[in-house]
Amino acid sequence: DSGVTQTPKHLITATGQRVTLRCSPRSGDLSVYWYQQSLDQGLQFLIQYYNGEERAKGNILERFSAQQFPDLHSELNLSSLELGDSALYFCASSPQGGFTDTQYFGPGTRLTVL
Amino acid sequence: AQKVTQAQTEISVVEKEDVTLDCVYETRDTTYYLFWYKQPPSGELVFLIRRNSFDEQNEISGRYSWNFQKSTSSFNFTITASQVVDSAVYFCALRWNSGYSTLTFGKGTMLLVSP
Repeated sequence: DSGVTQTPKHLITATGQRVTLRCSPRSGDLSVYWYQQSLDQGLQFLIQYYNGEERAKGNILERFSAQQFPDLHSELNLSSLELGDSALYFCASSPQGGFTDTQYFGPGTRLTVL
Repeated sequence: AQKVTQAQTEISVVEKEDVTLDCVYETRDTTYYLFWYKQPPSGELVFLIRRNSFDEQNEISGRYSWNFQKSTSSFNFTITASQVVDSAVYFCALRWNSGYSTLTFGKGTMLLVSP
């Protein structure tokens, strides 16, 4: 158990809908990261937050947004969902969000868009 | 370009065999970190090891060992006396100094250990 929690574990929804994925980092970690794992793209970095501020952005679609709250939990919002958004979404956390940190991953949220 | 290549898509072995998972990386930076993560059938990503570019010492942890060779840009992972519980997808990842703190993953190698 990495100490990173994600809810829900599974999510099934329809095209065009909007969903919110939630992540709580390990105790003491200030930075969270979101990754998407799909069969065709593999594991891809989406976005990073550090202490409430966006720090780095990867291949995140405009339909997706995220934020980190004062209690350090983070939410990833996915809107206008398409079939291709079906994937496993991971949250990871690290102490300072810096280059030397190790990222510890949560159990993931499996999103299925029908 | 910054890239991680895991050429072995799937490896099947019988319990107690030794197995090596290959990882080749590309980066222009001289300062970087390499990682291995394990993804068992349950789906979570489990951190195994981190190695920085200035430390080429090999590492052993129980049945696991890692061989880092800058000359060939490789960071290979060996499991000795494999067990059924080692069955998983293993990912090699790279983080380079000018790439903030994001991880670039290889496509993964699925290891199947049969009894």
